[in-house]
Amino acid sequence: GAGVSQSPSNKVTEKGKDVELRCDPISGHTALYWYRQRLGQGLEFLIYFQGNSAPDKSGLPSDRFSAERTGESVSTLTIQRTQQEDSAVYLCASSLALTNTEAFFGQGTRLTVV
Amino acid sequence: KQEVTQIPAALSVPEGENLVLNCSFTDSAIYNLQWFRQDPGKGLTSLLLIQSSQREQTSGRLNASLDKSSGRSTLYIAASQPGDSATYLCAVGDSGGGADGLTFGKGTHLIIQP
Repeated sequence: GAGVSQSPSNKVTEKGKDVELRCDPISGHTALYWYRQRLGQGLEFLIYFQGNSAPDKSGLPSDRFSAERTGESVSTLTIQRTQQEDSAVYLCASSLALTNTEAFFGQGTRLTVV
Repeated sequence: KQEVTQIPAALSVPEGENLVLNCSFTDSAIYNLQWFRQDPGKGLTSLLLIQSSQREQTSGRLNASLDKSSGRSTLYIAASQPGDSATYLCAVGDSGGGADGLTFGKGTHLIIQP
């Protein structure tokens, strides 16, 4: 596609439910990143994928968060047993490579946990 | 741990003025610095990418400079227009090879008055 695509654009879920967020990176981009932006806060790095390498999960906020990527394409971020503090905009970005290349962001998924 | 600070947090100026947004970072071991704009309810749009070996980059009315040794970058906007109103984010990529993703400042919220 022409840019990074994220779905859904908005998600309202009840506390305790699981949610899955999807990111389609720009074709050919080997690096993919997930960030979280809470209301009034800066962007918080969560996890990155580079090619077929195992991701570094140390940035994930808790063990309720997990992420997968199929090859160099779609990635999903899953939040289990959602809590109200998980409410945020979740942004995905991709770049040609892990370093020294420009990162392009999707429009984000606005998650509201009620 | 890298920390990025942006000053001012908010700025409101009349249309037509030239303005400067400031970004500082604590660890000079970066491989690049990227400026983004974020419009309300939208994702991030990349404006300029400066590699660590570069001093500045220009795109249209925008000019970004980088002084890696002092840990500073500026974004200069010439002849500001109401359409420039947005939040401007500065992000640095650390030389750790992307393991921490980009580290973002909290942004400068810019309003250009018609």
